[in-house]
Amino acid sequence: AQSVTQLGSHVSVSEGALVLLRCNYSSSVPPYLFWYVQYPNQGLQLLLKYTTGATLVKGINGFEAEFKKSETSFHLTKPSAHMSDAAEYFCAVSAPTGGGNKLTFGTGTQLKVEL
Amino acid sequence: GAVVSQHPSRVICKSGTSVKIECRSLDFQATTMFWYRQFPKQSLMLMATSNEGSKATYEQGVEKDKFLINHASLTLSTLTVTSAHPEDSSFYICSARLVAGPNTGELFFGEGSRLTVL
Repeated sequence: AQSVTQLGSHVSVSEGALVLLRCNYSSSVPPYLFWYVQYPNQGLQLLLKYTTGATLVKGINGFEAEFKKSETSFHLTKPSAHMSDAAEYFCAVSAPTGGGNKLTFGTGTQLKVEL
Repeated sequence: GAVVSQHPSRVICKSGTSVKIECRSLDFQATTMFWYRQFPKQSLMLMATSNEGSKATYEQGVEKDKFLINHASLTLSTLTVTSAHPEDSSFYICSARLVAGPNTGELFFGEGSRLTVL
């Protein structure tokens, strides 16, 4: 069984500040990990994913995440927040069978960016 | 990138009626599509896995007679909410699995369909 915990349902940062969204996972097998972004009344867009290989993964819009097995974490970061980053962010985990079949999502973190 | 389109994006219906939501992969073939339900300010819950040419696989607790899924072609899956009730009001999102190309296995999500049952 797999699960995802996102710490902090709401995160607020100032424009230009560091963004850090936390994600911890639980998996009985080496996981595939994903971060998705959702804008209001829209579907999900993939930001980045970790499957195998390099543990620091770079995604779109300047986001990156680091897979830390010892900490069972996959935190999402961005050095400098932009107003357009305000959205809901979901961390997700799946088992490495077909790369992204049944995703288990975290409860989401709403990111607010203030001037 | 691969595009998945849902229709309608919003639908309002009366209690007791049935509503069909379509999920199309516009520029790729998808043998597998997934249907999710999202309650306000909550995460996505997988409802079922839709496989082209075969019966859908439903998650525990999801009524298959209530939420009918049909995956008749490699580019179209439909979700029909039968005899809808107000508690069925939700945001329904589909995703399609890319089975060819460099990003094989990656999921692409539709824009979602908001159902309101009066």
